[in-house]
Parts: sequence; C-alpha cells; structure tokens
Amino acid sequence: DIVMTQSPDSLAVSLGERATINCKSSQTVLYNSNNRNYLAWYQQKPGQSPKLLIYWASTRESGVPDRFSGSGSGTDFTLTISSLQAEDVAVYYCQQYYSTPYTFGQGTKLEIK
Amino acid sequence: QVQLVQSGSELKKPGASVKVSCKASGYTFTSYPMNWVRQAPGQGLEWMGWINTNTGNPTYAQGFTGRFVFSLDTSVSTAYLQISDLKAEDTAVYHCARMLQADYYFDYWGPGTLVTVSS
Repeated sequence: DIVMTQSPDSLAVSLGERATINCKSSQTVLYNSNNRNYLAWYQQKPGQSPKLLIYWASTRESGVPDRFSGSGSGTDFTLTISSLQAEDVAVYYCQQYYSTPYTFGQGTKLEIK
Repeated sequence: QVQLVQSGSELKKPGASVKVSCKASGYTFTSYPMNWVRQAPGQGLEWMGWINTNTGNPTYAQGFTGRFVFSLDTSVSTAYLQISDLKAEDTAVYHCARMLQADYYFDYWGPGTLVTVSS
C-alpha cells in the first residue's frame, strides 16, 4: 500500500498570509506513460463532506478560488493557499489514486492565527 | 447538477445490520464508479472500496471484506453499503464518493451517514 504522510498535522496562519501543506507518498504516484501525478487534494470543513480542490497534483477543480494551488511530482507534493481567508479554515487531505487501495494522508488542520 | 443524497443517521446494537443508501442525480449513474469512504469520529478518511456501477462488480479494500457489501439498484440510481454483525468500532460516518473512472479522483461526495453502534 502507498502510505501518504502530511506535514504539519496542524497549522495556524494569519489572515492574508500564505499557508503551505506538504504531502509525501511512500512510492511514486507519477505514471510515466502519461506523465501524470495521481494525487488529489480535498478540503473538509467542519460538519461537511470533503470537497475536491486539486487533481493531477496541480489542476484546480472548477470553481475553486485561484488562491489554492498544488505542486510537486513523484513523491513530494504541496498545497499552497496564497492568501488565507477565514472560510479556508478546514482539514486538508491529500490522496493518491495511483493504485488501490486509494490512500489518504492523515489530514492537516488549518486554523487562523 | 450532480447530487449524492445519503440516508439518515442510524443507531444500531452490536450484532445488528445496517444498509446505507446513496442516491445519485444529475448524471448518468452507470457511467461513473462509486466509492465508499469511512471516517471514524474525529479521524481521517479511509477508503473502503468501490463498485463498478455498470457491471455491479465490487472491489473491497483490505479490512472491509466479509461483513461489508456494496450493491446497486440502477433503476433508482442508488448505491448501497450494507454492514452486518456490527461492532462498536464500526461507529463512523460513511461517505459515498463518485469517481470519473477507475484510478481517478473523487469529484463529488455525499454528505455522509453516521452509523452509531452502541448497546
């Protein structure tokens, strides 16, 4: 199984500041034949279901604000929120869909400082 | 618009069974596989497996074989998760999540169904 490890577990950032969440996979999630990273990011606000933010490691889902961006390749990935807004308070998960069992990181709780 | 509507919360005793439903609308149900994801109280997301909504063929993650069954009723665009011989550790929110095709991301999620197992 591919183990996904996020860092940090929790993060407090001031409004308007940058937030960075890291995700590392135990093996590559880059599929060489199509040069795609099978890595997604989800946002889960309190009391809600997860919402897709980013797929293929860096493609923003329709409707997601452009302050959210994803980067990385192979085994190391980053979710960046360029200017934190109050509504971004949530738990963020990375997920690999390269192979089953599809696995998630443990989550990073993002709060306002 | 795509919607996944799940059945309401359940309170069950140990040893009982429960069947959670996930009704899809706004798209062709049989064109998109459906996944099930468990979230224990205050915990992260755990993938349980998926069902091919075209063939009905289920795939279960390790740890979700035996007592867990995925099924469909394509006539009403609904996927089901049945859990038998419930245990206290099955207490969790169970989400259905649509996948574009096998080995793809989950683009729509249901709101989740809380199953509480308690004597």
